[in-house]
Amino acid sequence: GDSVTQMEGPVTLSEEAFLTINCTYTATGYPSLFWYVQYPGEGLQLLLKATKADDKGSNKGFEATYRKETTSFHLEKGSVQVSDSAVYFCALSDWDQAGTALIFGKGTTLSVSS
Amino acid sequence: DSGVTQTPKHLITATGQRVTLRCSPRSGDLSVYWYQQSLDQGLQFLIQYYNGEERAKGNILERFSAQQFPDLHSELNLSSLELGDSALYFCASSLYGQGGETQYFGPGTRLLVL
Repeated sequence: GDSVTQMEGPVTLSEEAFLTINCTYTATGYPSLFWYVQYPGEGLQLLLKATKADDKGSNKGFEATYRKETTSFHLEKGSVQVSDSAVYFCALSDWDQAGTALIFGKGTTLSVSS
Repeated sequence: DSGVTQTPKHLITATGQRVTLRCSPRSGDLSVYWYQQSLDQGLQFLIQYYNGEERAKGNILERFSAQQFPDLHSELNLSSLELGDSALYFCASSLYGQGGETQYFGPGTRLLVL
C-alpha cells in the first residue's frame, strides 16, 4: 500500500539556519503531496501542497517540490525562526482503497533556538 | 482557526466505558474524516464520510463506529474502551472529499482511558 517515510527527528537548529526535512513516498497512483505542521497543543495546519509532478508548493518561506523521478517531497526553508519550532508531517492523498484519506509520515520535530 | 470544531477537548474515562466524540466541519464542506494520533502508531486514518454516506474505512476497530448526520456534523463512538485507546482524535473536513483537496483539521479531542 501507499506509504510516506520522513527523516527521524528531532532536528535542532539555530535561528537563521537552513532547514531541510526529507520525505519520500510510495504510491500506486498519482498522489497529491502535503506538508502539515502541528504546534504544541494544537491541531494540524496545512503548510503547503503540490498536486502533480514538478509542482512547487510554498508558504511562509517554506518550499517543497514534487519530484516524481525520486518520489520525494523534501521541505526546505532558507532561514528558520524560533516560531517555526513544531512537528512537521509529510502526507499523501491518493485514490485507492482508503479513498482520499491522508497517509502520514511519522513526523519530524523541529526545535529552533535563538 | 480552521473552522472545524470538536467537542469535548478532553475526556477521561475508565476501561469498558463508551464515549462519543463530536465534530462540526467547516461551513460548506461535505466530507469528514476521523484520525487517531498516538505515540506508537502515529497519525492513522479511521473513517471518511461524504454527505452522510460512509466513503472509506481505514484502521478502525470494530468497537468504534461513526456517522455523519444530515446537518453534516459527525460523531465517533468508541465502546468497550481499553487503555490502548488513549490517544488524540482528530476530525478533518474537505469540500468534496476528493484527492488533492486540502483537509482542514479540528483541534482534537484528547482521550485518556484509565
